[in-house]
Amino acid sequence: EVQLVESGGDLVQPGESLRLSCVVSGFTFSDFWMDWVRQAPGEGLEWVANINQDGSKKYYVDSVKGRFTVSRDNAKNSVYLQINSLRAEDTAVYYCSRQLEVWGQGTRVTVSS
Amino acid sequence: DIQLTQSPSSLSASVGDRVTITCRASQDIRNDLAWYQQKPGKAPERLIYAASTLLSGVPSRFSGSGYGTEFTLTISSLQPEDFATYSCLQWNSYPRTFGQGTKVEV
Repeated sequence: EVQLVESGGDLVQPGESLRLSCVVSGFTFSDFWMDWVRQAPGEGLEWVANINQDGSKKYYVDSVKGRFTVSRDNAKNSVYLQINSLRAEDTAVYYCSRQLEVWGQGTRVTVSS
Repeated sequence: DIQLTQSPSSLSASVGDRVTITCRASQDIRNDLAWYQQKPGKAPERLIYAASTLLSGVPSRFSGSGYGTEFTLTISSLQPEDFATYSCLQWNSYPRTFGQGTKVEV
């Protein structure tokens, strides 16, 4: 069974950093691109970033460039999202996804003072 | 960036109704479009990819059509478990973009 499990979400203050993790099982992780998508409370889905199979290609939505970094560790079947300089508008549930086909359950990030 | 505009933003329907949701792209995306269903507090689930290909296990009352800039998701006979929010996604170019969602409610 394909599973994606996110973790690392928290309540943080503006300007702080977080590292979100997503560990997967049930498929050959190194064969797939991985995506991060977020959803602010009561809002629609927003694609954030993705990374290719070996980590050599990464793409980001403009609103997070320079603050977010996606990475992966194929030996650990894990993908990560490093989020720096957090802002109130980053408050959302963050989902990891295998190529936007299969999704995890999400991890909640709340940015508030 | 490619913008996806869904209409309507919400609709009221009854069990057994035929429901059609439209997704318009701001430029030609060929058939690089998927549809998702999302229920409150849950992750999205992909229903359709490549505009019209139904995923395995998705009921046949769901169908998708379109190419280029105009796409539709149709539910032929709405069932109680279909009340949810539906979103389109384009993967033709970066950044990937979603439509704003269509909430189907009673």
